[in-house]
Amino acid sequence: ETGVTQSPTHLIKTRGQQVTLRCSSQSGHNTVSWYQQALGQGPQFIFQYYREEENGRGNFPPRFSGLQFPNYSSELNVNALELDDSALYLCASSSQGGAYEQYFGPGTRLTVT
Amino acid sequence: AQSVTQLDSQVPVFEEAPVELRCNYSSSVSVYLFWYVQYPNQGLQLLLKYLSGSTLVESINGFEAEFNKSQTSFHLRKPSVHISDTAEYFCAVSESWRNRDDKIIFGKGTRLHILP
Repeated sequence: ETGVTQSPTHLIKTRGQQVTLRCSSQSGHNTVSWYQQALGQGPQFIFQYYREEENGRGNFPPRFSGLQFPNYSSELNVNALELDDSALYLCASSSQGGAYEQYFGPGTRLTVT
Repeated sequence: AQSVTQLDSQVPVFEEAPVELRCNYSSSVSVYLFWYVQYPNQGLQLLLKYLSGSTLVESINGFEAEFNKSQTSFHLRKPSVHISDTAEYFCAVSESWRNRDDKIIFGKGTRLHILP
């Protein structure tokens, strides 16, 4: 059984640029949630995708967008990057109707300069 | 709206001593409660969870947490810590009424620092 994987591991971007982060869900999981973890803070919910549709969104602006593909993998896109977007971005997969347990990937460390 | 408060940002404790990491939550509906652990430079791992039933839940590595509805708390305890327990611990809550996976609200974390 393959766990949740994320790519890339680290990324450095310049303010104003756009970035795409990728996540492969654990085998058998159909739901992907994205979280932003700023330094010294707990993860904050960005949004969740279930069966290729957005299924809930946190308090993040529209320049944060996402996709889920038929194989349940997912992308997080951030446009017009700001310095405050520097953070660890975590992806978690789960199975709707399962044990309410989300499995997290190792994260992508994004630095915006 | 749900919220989670972890009262201590850092907890230093000597090896083999007991530890309690405190967590209080706020919610107007029934909740599920979780403790996640994050080792340095790694993602989050689920340590234990309360969904329903017995209010005392245990993990495989000696941690336990007790759901106290009247005090809206879910404190994490271990009777004897090891150096390998050094990590950041996050308390988290999600709403249970939806009967499906939902967003998880995390606290700010407590850094457990084991002293030799």
